[in-house]
Amino acid sequence: KQEVTQIPAALSVPEGENLVLNCSFTDSAIYNLQWFRQDPGKGLTSLLLIQSSQREQTSGRLNASLDKSSGRSTLYIAASQPGDSATYLCAVRWMGGANSKLTFGKGITLSVRP
Amino acid sequence: KAGVTQTPRYLIKTRGQQVTLSCSPISGHRSVSWYQQTPGQGLQFLFEYFSETQRNKGNFPGRFSGRQFSNSRSEMNVSTLELGDSALYLCASSAAPGQGAGANVLTFGAGSRLTVL
Repeated sequence: KQEVTQIPAALSVPEGENLVLNCSFTDSAIYNLQWFRQDPGKGLTSLLLIQSSQREQTSGRLNASLDKSSGRSTLYIAASQPGDSATYLCAVRWMGGANSKLTFGKGITLSVRP
Repeated sequence: KAGVTQTPRYLIKTRGQQVTLSCSPISGHRSVSWYQQTPGQGLQFLFEYFSETQRNKGNFPGRFSGRQFSNSRSEMNVSTLELGDSALYLCASSAAPGQGAGANVLTFGAGSRLTVL
């Protein structure tokens, strides 16, 4: 069964800390992997998308890496700020391309303390 | 450029009723997908439409249905509502999944929060 796991479910860090959020998936034959951010009661905002052929993507203080062989992706957040507090979800679309559904992890709720 | 618009934002229904939710994608986007989000199950895929055709369907009962119109707007319908259908229903659009990185990026709406009493 194709599953996406994010552990821990919650994380609290002091402001300024560099941190890594983990995402693991059970089948390495992925098409792409996407990281999202969700603020309470709101929809999701796409942060980074990594295609199967890519190893990493960067946007500002965010860097996402992909290791298909180990079934892992990490989202690195540099110099965390209170405004980074949100739930971070990763989602995998497996091979089958357009005909494969997107499977989400349950998310990691991040709290950055001032 | 307008984002993904979902209506209504909030609604309250009673068991046994039916509900229709609407999603207007970003202009030019032809793919619309729907998700149910609950505290216990997280985000679960409902269905995905592209050019008025359902491309994929999640593991939900037949009470959940959807459609897409020629202008790419989409609706989902839930009939015979149950208490467990209370959730945030999210819609996302993309240009054309499976056709390059940019076309795969999903843009989500703010969601429709359904409460079933």
